[in-house]
Amino acid sequence: QQPVQSPQAVILREGEDAVINCSSSKALYSVHWYRQKHGEAPVFLMILLKGGEQKGHDKISASFNEKKQQSSLYLTASQLSYSGTYFCGTEDTGRRALTFGSGTRLQVQP
Amino acid sequence: GAGVSQSPSNKVTEKGKDVELRCDPISGHTALYWYRQSLGQGLEFLIYFQGNSAPDKSGLPSDRFSAERTGGSVSTLTIQRTQQEDSAVYLCASSHTGTRQETQYFGPGTRLLVL
Repeated sequence: QQPVQSPQAVILREGEDAVINCSSSKALYSVHWYRQKHGEAPVFLMILLKGGEQKGHDKISASFNEKKQQSSLYLTASQLSYSGTYFCGTEDTGRRALTFGSGTRLQVQP
Repeated sequence: GAGVSQSPSNKVTEKGKDVELRCDPISGHTALYWYRQSLGQGLEFLIYFQGNSAPDKSGLPSDRFSAERTGGSVSTLTIQRTQQEDSAVYLCASSHTGTRQETQYFGPGTRLLVL
């Protein structure tokens, strides 16, 4: 089952903050966050591991609630370069590949 | 290059023809993944290779789709008798060992259009 992302889309002004949520019905080993700009490959942002460890981008933070199988990506003081579609990919007890949400389209305006 | 590379970057084909898509993973990465992204959609898992283990083919949508990985490096995804619904961006990713909780790095993708 595909993780559920919310919101589907958000428009910000530069400097504003945003939170993107990802929720799964399965027990997870990890949650991976990617940003994809139009026509480009997804770029890795952050991985959150079962057990609390985080690895990723200095300017982007995230949380992982293992009990609820939910993750949130926090974008603070947004910049124009933050625009793109954000995907969460979840790793569960099944296959090793990631199961991706449908994405959150973020647009930062001047 | 240091990243995952894919070729061709774009492919236009006629319905019913076969196509081959190629992926070169990051050097030294033993795990390789294929995903498909339809227009405006998320990424859909297709197949996963890890070392010499049998591939996980659970995501392949039909028997028209197949993939192989030669010598533990380059992979080819083949779509036989293409259909219009096969039109999508096919993305390849690799990771160091394929163990759990490992970052996957994506290539630029092949944009396939079936007319």
